[in-house]
Amino acid sequence: ETGVTQTPRHLVMGMTNKKSLKCEQHLGHNAMYWYKQSAKKPLELMFVYSLEERVENNSVPSRFSPECPNSSHLFLHLHTLQPEDSALYLCASSQGTGGGDTQYFGPGTRLTVL
Amino acid sequence: GQNIDQPTEMTATEGAIVQINCTYQTSGFNGLFWYQQHAGEAPTFLSYNVLDGLEEKGRFSSFLSRSKGYSYLLLKELQMKDSASYLCAVIWPKGGATNKLIFGTGTLLAVQP
Repeated sequence: ETGVTQTPRHLVMGMTNKKSLKCEQHLGHNAMYWYKQSAKKPLELMFVYSLEERVENNSVPSRFSPECPNSSHLFLHLHTLQPEDSALYLCASSQGTGGGDTQYFGPGTRLTVL
Repeated sequence: GQNIDQPTEMTATEGAIVQINCTYQTSGFNGLFWYQQHAGEAPTFLSYNVLDGLEEKGRFSSFLSRSKGYSYLLLKELQMKDSASYLCAVIWPKGGATNKLIFGTGTLLAVQP
């Protein structure tokens, strides 16, 4: 596989469930990102990892917990979510976090919280 | 605060030219990206501008004026497959070595026969 992949593509969960989103990049990049995309709203940056170290936590509630075990994999662990957390969650990667480093996105996980 | 403005929706005709504008007010600037996003798919990279002027890439061109806080994406010879959302994103130098992408809400372009 090439590029950035995400699983699952669709997820429905109850507010008491625990689930995880997975992202994998096959581009040899050093930085990975989680974004939230809600209807009619701009993409919101959630977390940034550079060389497996979290360098940005954009005031995200603790019910979202990221994990980056190596530079190719990124997880988003979810627990006790709210219905307003329903959105498209996008993963991205880039060579670095410099200004000209293009971010390449995965197809996203469509999350519905009941 | 940081602010990126784009029109919400646009409609154009197949074979025509369309210009999608983006204005920004940010406390710093390290460049601007345009992405295309088809419904249910990943945003894909279209262009990157860091200096003033026009960057041309096939049917797509992107223009930047840093003094005016303004960019546009120009799509020529429109095709039906160009129907998508177009996202403008400013690279904001947050501090240190980390830059942050600040996105507009996107412009949904509908190309009609």
